[in-house]
Amino acid sequence: DAGVIQSPRHEVTEMGQEVTLRCKPISGHDYLFWYRQTMMRGLELLIYFNNNVPIDDSGMPEDRFSAKMPNASFSTLKIQPSEPRDSAVYFCASSQRDGRNYGYTFGSGTRLTVV
Amino acid sequence: DQQVKQNSPSLSVQEGRISILNCDYTNSMFDYFLWYKKYPAEGPTFLISISSIKDKNEDGRFTVFLNKSAKHLSLHIVPSQPGDSAVYFCAASGRTGGFKTIFGAGTRLFVKA
Repeated sequence: DAGVIQSPRHEVTEMGQEVTLRCKPISGHDYLFWYRQTMMRGLELLIYFNNNVPIDDSGMPEDRFSAKMPNASFSTLKIQPSEPRDSAVYFCASSQRDGRNYGYTFGSGTRLTVV
Repeated sequence: DQQVKQNSPSLSVQEGRISILNCDYTNSMFDYFLWYKKYPAEGPTFLISISSIKDKNEDGRFTVFLNKSAKHLSLHIVPSQPGDSAVYFCAASGRTGGFKTIFGAGTRLFVKA
């Protein structure tokens, strides 16, 4: 298995533009998580899905952020409009069951820079 | 509100010696604790976990100890190797949190050859 695949690896965009981050989880994993890493807040959970259904989006910072999982092999995180404070590394992770015992498998992340 | 705290931003250890990384938590409802390792430009990698019904779990050179009364856990790496140099994240999860995993801020470990 190629692991969790995220694209793009790097994204530089201007303030006000729409940004879409993509994730392909590991086949057979029924949980998918979106995390954001910043110097100030560390790794924070944005949203997670179970069997393609959003379970908890309480970590999504504001309405500018939205996430979808149209099928078991694909998820997107969209920011519209983007702002400089959204600059961070965004990680997608997946797991079988809830991953609390055997952990999550993380992708390599998307480094987003909003100028 | 930091529910999982790693108070040491960095730690430097000589190759072959023991590395001890510490973590404190505040939520007594956490029932699983995990450690992840992260290299630059990569995502975190799961290392080892422990259930709250245990006080020790071992996997090769890595051992995690849990002290529930003190709400404290530690990761021991013996012997430390230069390839262990990375950022280590402590994480915790509990049923009442909807199985969300909360991460600490991380500790950067330097293993000197």
